[in-house]
Amino acid sequence: RKEVEQDPGPFNVPEGATVAFNCTYSNSASQSFFWYRQDCRKEPKLLMSVYSSGNEDGRFTAQLNRASQYISLLIRDSKLSDSATYLCVPREGGANNLFFGTGTRLTVIP
Amino acid sequence: NAGVTQTPKFQVLKTGQSMTLQCAQDMNHEYMSWYRQDPGMGLRLIHYSVGAGITDQGEVPNGYNVSRSTTEDFPLRLLLAAPSQTSVYFCASSKTPTENTEAFFGQGTRLTVV
Repeated sequence: RKEVEQDPGPFNVPEGATVAFNCTYSNSASQSFFWYRQDCRKEPKLLMSVYSSGNEDGRFTAQLNRASQYISLLIRDSKLSDSATYLCVPREGGANNLFFGTGTRLTVIP
Repeated sequence: NAGVTQTPKFQVLKTGQSMTLQCAQDMNHEYMSWYRQDPGMGLRLIHYSVGAGITDQGEVPNGYNVSRSTTEDFPLRLLLAAPSQTSVYFCASSKTPTENTEAFFGQGTRLTVV
């Protein structure tokens, strides 16, 4: 089983729509979780960190369900600039390394 | 703010050649790592370092060497390049390996081995 599983998409949504991505992880020792955004042919950049049950930052909400071992990312009022690949990244507590999902590609359509 | 700097941005190698991908960070980060990204595979960890003089293997270390003689630099060496090493390589750093801090990535090196 892969460490991190994400629906690769693509998700094509109109501007203003609400879209949600899910991510499941297999390592129950994962303590912290991150969503990274990666634009085409660019490096990943941190979008949000999720430490407890969830986190909200403007139009973006991340939720964590430890019992079911999944994290979600909700984007409200989608903008054209939200078009990117969203990477789910759990980190094991006290461990050095990040495990990246393959990412979910989002395209916001005018 | 330079952050994490990778060079070169693009490289074409012939099979069997060797080369070094450079990575430098100016944030005094302890933790540095190298990933490769292939279509449909996500980022996979090659090697990492928790501080100067300390390196360890990641998920896909074969065919690569690293060293960490200074806090700032973490070069990745390809010993005998193979077509299977055609990929995009990202270097990343974070403040410490165990805190929940952001990982900063370089802009990537696109390597093609022919």
